[in-house]
Amino acid sequence: KQEVTQIPAALSVPEGENLVLNCSFTDSAIYNLQWFRQDPGKGLTSLLLIQSSQREQTSGRLNASLDKSSGRSTLYIAASQPGDSATYLCAVKGAQKLVFGQGTRLTINP
Amino acid sequence: DAGITQSPRHKVTETGTPVTLRCHQTENHRYMYWYRQDPGHGLRLIHYSYGVKDTDKGEVSDGYSVSRSKTEDFLLTLESATSSQTSVYFCAISDPRTGTSSYNSPLHFGNGTRLTVT
Repeated sequence: KQEVTQIPAALSVPEGENLVLNCSFTDSAIYNLQWFRQDPGKGLTSLLLIQSSQREQTSGRLNASLDKSSGRSTLYIAASQPGDSATYLCAVKGAQKLVFGQGTRLTINP
Repeated sequence: DAGITQSPRHKVTETGTPVTLRCHQTENHRYMYWYRQDPGHGLRLIHYSYGVKDTDKGEVSDGYSVSRSKTEDFLLTLESATSSQTSVYFCAISDPRTGTSSYNSPLHFGNGTRLTVT
């Protein structure tokens, strides 16, 4: 059974810093990995989707990498801003439907 | 919000009553999903649909039923609500035409329905 873990559960950094969020998964037989952000009281917003054949995807200040063999993905956020404060979730799609991690709650301090 | 509307946004109901949540999409996406989100459990799939009248169970389907009579609407019914079904319910959509394959289409979520069962 696929398990997805995100550590740390919460992270607080000053504005302007570059930061990395981590996602690990136990079964490397995946089709893709997707990163989402969730603002309080809102649904999830899709940020990036990395196919199993890809190593990374970029969108603006966000860069997501995928290492299937080690069961790891990272989300890199450059030059963080207070508006980046949210909970970030990763989800892995394999033979099962999407399996979600529990998220990292990110706070960017002005 | 990818053209997804969930209704109601908030609901309080009593144990034993039936409840129906609605998800309406304007994107003409083929696939629709119902998830629940709970502290300590994350997001869990309840039911999903791959097309009109084509539905299947997810990992936490007990006590729930769904119907999809039109592409744009996906209904989730709690047949007899229990306190353990207090949760935030999210609808999501995807479509193989928006990705490189049917397995690589991104998922888009509605804003959720907060349900409290007293």
